[in-house]
Amino acid sequence: QKEVEQDPGPLSVPEGAIVSLNCTYSNSAFQYFMWYRQYSRKGPELLMYTYSSGNKEDGRFTAQVDKSSKYISLFIRDSQPSDSATYLCAMSATNQAGTALIFGKGTTLSVSS
Amino acid sequence: DTGVSQNPRHKITKRGQNVTFRCDPISEHNRLYWYRQTLGQGPEFLTYFQNEAQLEKSRLLSDRFSAERPKGSFSTLEIQRTEQGDSAMYLCAFKGRGTGELFFGEGSRLTVL
Repeated sequence: QKEVEQDPGPLSVPEGAIVSLNCTYSNSAFQYFMWYRQYSRKGPELLMYTYSSGNKEDGRFTAQVDKSSKYISLFIRDSQPSDSATYLCAMSATNQAGTALIFGKGTTLSVSS
Repeated sequence: DTGVSQNPRHKITKRGQNVTFRCDPISEHNRLYWYRQTLGQGPEFLTYFQNEAQLEKSRLLSDRFSAERPKGSFSTLEIQRTEQGDSAMYLCAFKGRGTGELFFGEGSRLTVL
């Protein structure tokens, strides 16, 4: 079992839909959780950064962490064609400098107009 | 503005050749990372520099790979005797001050024929 599992999709939705993206993980030591957006042939762009459990909202994006279930989610409201990209979850046990982030494989999202 | 500039953006080479990638932080970042991302996968940690000191190396970094960061500014990643399995996106990243957030550059894509 991989440390971080993420359904690769593809996920196709119409413009304006609410999108739910998810990751599960096996290492209970993970405390720092991130979501990245990656357009084709570009580097990952940090969208959300959360610590421990709870919710965090930023504009149309909401990140949720449920440590008891080892499950994290990213919700996108009022999805736009410009949201079409691959979304990567990432996590680590500490935020110390030498700690590597563990990434999921990414979910490819397509939003049609 | 991703905070780091990577060159070349794309390199096509024949198997057995040596290649070098360069990462230039736009502003001063004492914590610099290299990750590798193969097609359909999330980024994987390769190595980490604190200023000019290479403090962490992944077992993914075989003896054909060498990374340097002279004077704690730009960094280079060299791959000797390239193999087709080295084809990937090589990502440079830096960590935000006082946080665990990791910010990536646009990446250097390697294609080994």
